[in-house]
Amino acid sequence: AQSVAQPEDQVNVAEGNPLTVKCTYSVSGNPYLFWYVQYPNRGLQFLLKYITGDNLVKGSYGFEAEFNKSQTSFHLKKPSALVSDSALYFCAVRAIYGNKLVFGAGTILRVKS
Amino acid sequence: DTAVSQTPKYLVTQMGNDKSIKCEQNLGHDTMYWYKQDSKKFLKIMFSYNNKELIINETVPNRFSPKSPDKAHLNLHINSLELGDSAVYFCASSSLSGGLGDEQFFGPGTRLTVL
Repeated sequence: AQSVAQPEDQVNVAEGNPLTVKCTYSVSGNPYLFWYVQYPNRGLQFLLKYITGDNLVKGSYGFEAEFNKSQTSFHLKKPSALVSDSALYFCAVRAIYGNKLVFGAGTILRVKS
Repeated sequence: DTAVSQTPKYLVTQMGNDKSIKCEQNLGHDTMYWYKQDSKKFLKIMFSYNNKELIINETVPNRFSPKSPDKAHLNLHINSLELGDSAVYFCASSSLSGGLGDEQFFGPGTRLTVL
């Protein structure tokens, strides 16, 4: 069965500093990996995905994520955080032959000015 | 242009009532989903339809019944509502025919409160 772990309930970072939101996964076979962001009282918005190819994936709003197969991780990163990045971030995984997307519990990102 | 829309946005009702939530997507996708987000923000798949055929049916009480009249619509009917049904319900869509790597697009959510 697939699973996703986001070990941090909340990440606090100062504006302008780099940020990392951690994600590890468990799946049979090769994974499809996704990051979504949810702003208060809104639906989830897609940020980026890893399907195959380059392990460093670039997405919306300056976010990027690095796929590490040996560590089964897909951490979300941004070189310089903005206050407007404050939101709830979800990592998700789908098995390459499955059709169910499994989400992590989410990590609240707070960026302070 | 709204990609995935849901109605109503808020739904407050009494225990035991029956209610429906509607979802429509104008993205031309072939697959639609219902998710439940609980008070701790945990997000879980409930159902998925591909070309009007049910392909995912998680362990959900049979009081919940999805219906897909066509590829662009997926409705959720809930009978005999219980307090524990209070949550935010999200509809989503994707294009499975484009490959399983296609991302899902989410609606704005329906906040259901059962009193």
